[in-house]
Amino acid sequence: KNEVEQSPQNLTAQEGEFITINCSYSVGISALHWLQQHPGGGIVSLFMLSSGKKKHGRLIATINIQEKHSSLHITASHPRDSAVYICAVSYYGGSQGNLIFGKGTKLSVKP
Amino acid sequence: ETGVTQTPRHLVMGMTNKKSLKCEQHLGHNAMYWYKQSAKKPLELMFVYNFKEQTENNSVPSRFSPECPNSSHLFLHLHTLQPEDSALYLCASSQGLGDYEQYFGPGTRLTVT
Repeated sequence: KNEVEQSPQNLTAQEGEFITINCSYSVGISALHWLQQHPGGGIVSLFMLSSGKKKHGRLIATINIQEKHSSLHITASHPRDSAVYICAVSYYGGSQGNLIFGKGTKLSVKP
Repeated sequence: ETGVTQTPRHLVMGMTNKKSLKCEQHLGHNAMYWYKQSAKKPLELMFVYNFKEQTENNSVPSRFSPECPNSSHLFLHLHTLQPEDSALYLCASSQGLGDYEQYFGPGTRLTVT
């Protein structure tokens, strides 16, 4: 069992829909990261959070430390949001800087 | 522009070849990382450097040899690779170790024939 689980693995949405991607983890963490990977490979860091909620444009990330769960929301989705979204955690007891990654959620937004 | 560049972007090599991947960061960061991304698998950390010193070798086979001459440059030297080493190799940097955002390069798509 992976220490970081994401759901769903694949998601298809219509343009304009509200999207939620979930991440659950089984270890104690100091921070959780949401990353975006477009076709071609490049990865962009979207959020790093250790509590509460962060918002950037149409993207919102929340985390519940007690429940070991985080969600990434996309409002008013657009085809350019099509990408793989990856959850990663920095865990207590691990070496500093080391992240454990989920397998990613592949999002496709249709026009 | 991510501030982290990688060359080459694509590489095809035979199992007996020797090649090197290069990563350069223009962000003034002190920590640099090599990751491997294989199909259908999560990103795997390979090596971590902080202030040019290797702090992590995640049980990587010796056919992969990292080099960090300064905080801005990171190399991954490859020799006698296997076909299963075909993957996307990503470099990243961060301000330091610990809870800092990591900035990724575009990756090198490696195919071993």
